[in-house]
Amino acid sequence: QSALTQPASVSGSPGQSITISCTGTSSDVGGYNYVSWYQQYPGKAPKLMIYDVNNRPSGVSNRFSGSKSGNTASLTISGLQADDEADYYCSSYASSSTLVFGSGTKVSVL
Amino acid sequence: QVQLQESGPGLVKPSQTLSLTCTVSNGSISSGGYYWSWIRQHPGEGLEWIGYIYYSGSAYYNPSLKSRLIISVDTSKNQFSLQLSSVTAADTAIYYCARDAGDGYNQFDYWGQGTLVTVSS
Repeated sequence: QSALTQPASVSGSPGQSITISCTGTSSDVGGYNYVSWYQQYPGKAPKLMIYDVNNRPSGVSNRFSGSKSGNTASLTISGLQADDEADYYCSSYASSSTLVFGSGTKVSVL
Repeated sequence: QVQLQESGPGLVKPSQTLSLTCTVSNGSISSGGYYWSWIRQHPGEGLEWIGYIYYSGSAYYNPSLKSRLIISVDTSKNQFSLQLSSVTAADTAIYYCARDAGDGYNQFDYWGQGTLVTVSS
């Protein structure tokens, strides 16, 4: 069970849109519509931002959206803001009732 | 709203067993549809799913940890626990407990604050 692959870092200017990719296999991302995304600030617990590929929990800004194509899921942040600067992790349900997280992406707002 | 709080030793000696408990408040651990999970984060690194348990006692583990791992639940105390045996320095991490609201399908909506466990002699 290997970690899902994410870019180490993504950056953008305020107001821009950025996309973070999350690549797995047909045994996890590609096999199930159970991809989630988490935002984590330094020293804090992660926060759920997207679940089931493209669903937002109540209270999460609609600037955050998710999608999936084949074995790759994506998180798009539109209208980038300073407080979007954080680490982002994808995760996916995998076979045999297991879960796997991504390697994490540091988002920087220039 | 639901709150989770990890508790346990912050320092464990190599080869010993790491034991942590997560206490759930403002919600019943016996509510159906939720899996109660352990997740860890090595210092400066990413998240790693350890395993989760349903209130009935059915548990599912990360294959890489399965041989050393036991997750249990005590519904009378509204707690669930983690035991990781034969620890090494590689088990030094922040350990989080979390609720999976997606019926085990990866929807961690409530998290504890995390507790740092250091493995050292």
